[in-house]
Amino acid sequence: SQQGEEDPQALSIQEGENATMNCSYKTSINNLQWYRQNSGRGLVHLILIRSNEREKHSGRLRVTLDTSKKSSSLLITASRAADTASYFCARGPGAQKLVFGQGTRLTINP
Amino acid sequence: EPEVTQTPSHQVTQMGQEVILRCVPISNHLYFYWYRQILGQKVEFLVSFYNNEISEKSEIFDDQFSVERPDGSNFTLKIRSTKLEDSAMYFCASSRTSGESPQFFGPGTRLTVL
Repeated sequence: SQQGEEDPQALSIQEGENATMNCSYKTSINNLQWYRQNSGRGLVHLILIRSNEREKHSGRLRVTLDTSKKSSSLLITASRAADTASYFCARGPGAQKLVFGQGTRLTINP
Repeated sequence: EPEVTQTPSHQVTQMGQEVILRCVPISNHLYFYWYRQILGQKVEFLVSFYNNEISEKSEIFDDQFSVERPDGSNFTLKIRSTKLEDSAMYFCASSRTSGESPQFFGPGTRLTVL
């Protein structure tokens, strides 16, 4: 499969803790994007990391990319109840289409 | 902040009927996309559109599907004869350029085929 696969499939942590989600893929990429989806809602773009980048930050989010291992991770620090959502990695194998993984369902417990 | 909008939010139709899903991409974006998500499954790419023509499409996007940009702002997905298995959430997205810029998604249209 060419699709990104997230790990774990589900993650439940206490508010204030850090959450780490991983994504693996099998073929080469131009970039990798992380999205959040609240239940039954649209996809919200979080971060795009290019294939020549190793790490990127945005607020409480940190994304790393290891092209030699074909993997990426998303770290959410100091989690909040509002971070409860599904998180997807989506890779751009070519110019346009995104290939999504199954997602990690993150639950932040108060 | 500009956003992608989609109408309707929910469409219910009878099998065999035609439906048109509408999207207004972000105004300075040049690339437009449709994705779908069957309940409980992954988000799947359907089609990308640039310069008034399809630039890439998936196996799902067969002859029953078509896209159009009828004016300077709307981007539509038409399903000519809906099947039960077309029931899904359909997302429109747009991006400023291809490849290196993020795709911004609309809230989706939930299509229910009875």
